[in-house]
Amino acid sequence: GQQVMQIPQYQHVQEGEDFTTYCNSSTTLSNIQWYKQRPGGHPVFLIQLVKSGEVKKQKRLTFQFGEAKKNSSLHITATQTTDVGTYFCAGGSNYKLTFGKGTLLTVNP
Amino acid sequence: ETGVTQTPRHLVMGMTNKKSLKCEQHLGHNAMYWYKQSAKKPLELMFVYNFKEQTENNSVPSRFSPECPNSSHLFLHLHTLQPEDSALYLCASSRELAGAGTQYFGPGTRLLVL
Repeated sequence: GQQVMQIPQYQHVQEGEDFTTYCNSSTTLSNIQWYKQRPGGHPVFLIQLVKSGEVKKQKRLTFQFGEAKKNSSLHITATQTTDVGTYFCAGGSNYKLTFGKGTLLTVNP
Repeated sequence: ETGVTQTPRHLVMGMTNKKSLKCEQHLGHNAMYWYKQSAKKPLELMFVYNFKEQTENNSVPSRFSPECPNSSHLFLHLHTLQPEDSALYLCASSRELAGAGTQYFGPGTRLLVL
């Protein structure tokens, strides 16, 4: 079945440093979605990418979808303490959405 | 965010108890989901309902029994649970089945089985 691998599992940064998490699917995806879960909270939808090679930005967050539609990345520029949480990618195909294990980001002020 | 609500938010139960988790979505969505989230584990999809019909059961033990009376409500009936069933149980909904549609999660029920 479809598998979605996400790395790294954990990332600790100093405030102001950049952060990137990577997502790889074993199969070609119709879309990739990203979610953020704050400590003690629930996953909240951030963005969806559909087109091959698509890049989208949300303030300091940049999302990319690979040309082959099998990988994606989320990059945060100049992290802030409010960025703390677990970032999940989720690959969509054939009416299924498969979540990666997530990357837990902690930020040292 | 109040689009998807879940009750109770916290639940402690013994292994012989029977309890139910409730989920309600106010978004007019057609698909609803139950997920289990344990410490250090990824989100585990348990059940999927589309237009009230169950479309997926990911080999979930029979001590978990879902019920979807209509497109807005989803229940998870629990009986004779084990301590390893302690986890955060998340309900989610989407306009269409998840492959294309984005999912809106409820706040979850944090379950502790003693």
